[in-house]
Amino acid sequence: KQEVTQIPAALSVPEGENLVLNCSFTDSAIYNLQWFRQDPGKGLTSLLLIQSSQREQTSGRLNASLDKSSGRSTLYIAASQPGDSATYLCAFRMDSSYKLIFGSGTRLLVRP
Amino acid sequence: DAGITQSPRYKITETGRQVTLMCHQTWSHSYMFWYRQDLGHGLRLIYYSAAADITDKGEVPDGYVVSRSKTENFPLTLESATRSQTSVYFCASTVARTRNNEQFFGPGTRLTVL
Repeated sequence: KQEVTQIPAALSVPEGENLVLNCSFTDSAIYNLQWFRQDPGKGLTSLLLIQSSQREQTSGRLNASLDKSSGRSTLYIAASQPGDSATYLCAFRMDSSYKLIFGSGTRLLVRP
Repeated sequence: DAGITQSPRYKITETGRQVTLMCHQTWSHSYMFWYRQDLGHGLRLIYYSAAADITDKGEVPDGYVVSRSKTENFPLTLESATRSQTSVYFCASTVARTRNNEQFFGPGTRLTVL
């Protein structure tokens, strides 16, 4: 059974810092990985999707990487801003059913 | 473009009552999902549907019923609500393609069972 761990559970940084959020998984037989953002009391917003054959994806200040051999994915946020404050979740698609298995999230606070 | 919508956004009910949460998507996505989000458990899959009239259980299906008579709608029914079903419920959808099948989520329904 796939187990997904996100470290740290919470992170507080000053504005402008570059930061890395980590997501580790136990089963490397994944189809793809998706990173989401969730604002308090809101739904999930898809940030990036990486196929199992890819190593990384970039969107603006965000860069997500995938290393199946080590069971790790990272989300890199460059030049963080207070508007980046949210909970970030990683999720894995494991099979042809399109079901996702989620990590517990990292709660990020970017201080002005 | 409305995307994916859920109703109601907030619901308070009593133990033993039947409750139906609605989910509607305008993209004609074939796959739809219901998740619940709880502190300490994260997001867990309740039921999903590959197409109209095709549904299957997820990780935590007990106490829930789904149907999908039309592609765009995927209602979730709690037949006899219990306090343990107090949660935030999210509906999601994705198009069935081998690649680039992002899941898109609705805004959620916050359900309280008294």
